[in-house]
Amino acid sequence: GQNIDQPTEMTATEGAIVQINCTYQTSGFNGLFWYQQHAGEAPTFLSYNVLDGLEEKGRFSSFLSRSKGYSYLLLKELQMKDSASYLCAVRDDNAGNMLTFGGGTRLMVKP
Amino acid sequence: DAGITQSPRHKVTETGTPVTLRCHQTENHRYMYWYRQDPGHGLRLIHYSYGVKDTDKGEVSDGYSVSRSKTEDFLLTLESATSSQTSVYFCAISESATGSYEQYFGPGTRLTVT
Repeated sequence: GQNIDQPTEMTATEGAIVQINCTYQTSGFNGLFWYQQHAGEAPTFLSYNVLDGLEEKGRFSSFLSRSKGYSYLLLKELQMKDSASYLCAVRDDNAGNMLTFGGGTRLMVKP
Repeated sequence: DAGITQSPRHKVTETGTPVTLRCHQTENHRYMYWYRQDPGHGLRLIHYSYGVKDTDKGEVSDGYSVSRSKTEDFLLTLESATSSQTSVYFCAISESATGSYEQYFGPGTRLTVT
């Protein structure tokens, strides 16, 4: 089986930087995804990591360390519209390459 | 945006009644998925399909069945709804289940079983 842990809630200030962590345990790691989900809406894709290191995409970056079973999503220059839940999902090739999602981190951005 | 729709968007039904949710895509993607999302549990996979008439179980498949008779449609059926199946149901599609191919999600169906 898999175990994916993320903090339940975080609060940050507009214009600041926030780091959302995700730790996982899986037998056949084959990629990690981050999704954003605004309240009442569908999740939307943010980033994908399969090799160690940092992937940067505008204000958002995602980091992966396979040896530590650890990833983080870094959000810079926070805006009010970044208030949402952020979902970490791991693909396991011992589970038919299906995604297993963490419980999500609800981020509240305050003025 | 990926062309993926779900119907109905909201439904209230009574315990013991059958319910069918529909997912429709216009992207011709091979893979289709049904998830449920509940507070404290995140998204959990119910069933998925890797082609017409090819389906498999996910993590929480008990009480659910699926069918895919056409590439574009994936149906989720609750044969006899129970209150524990009150949830938000998301359909997702992807071109592949490997590499960087992400899943695109539909708008969701909020189901309440009374």
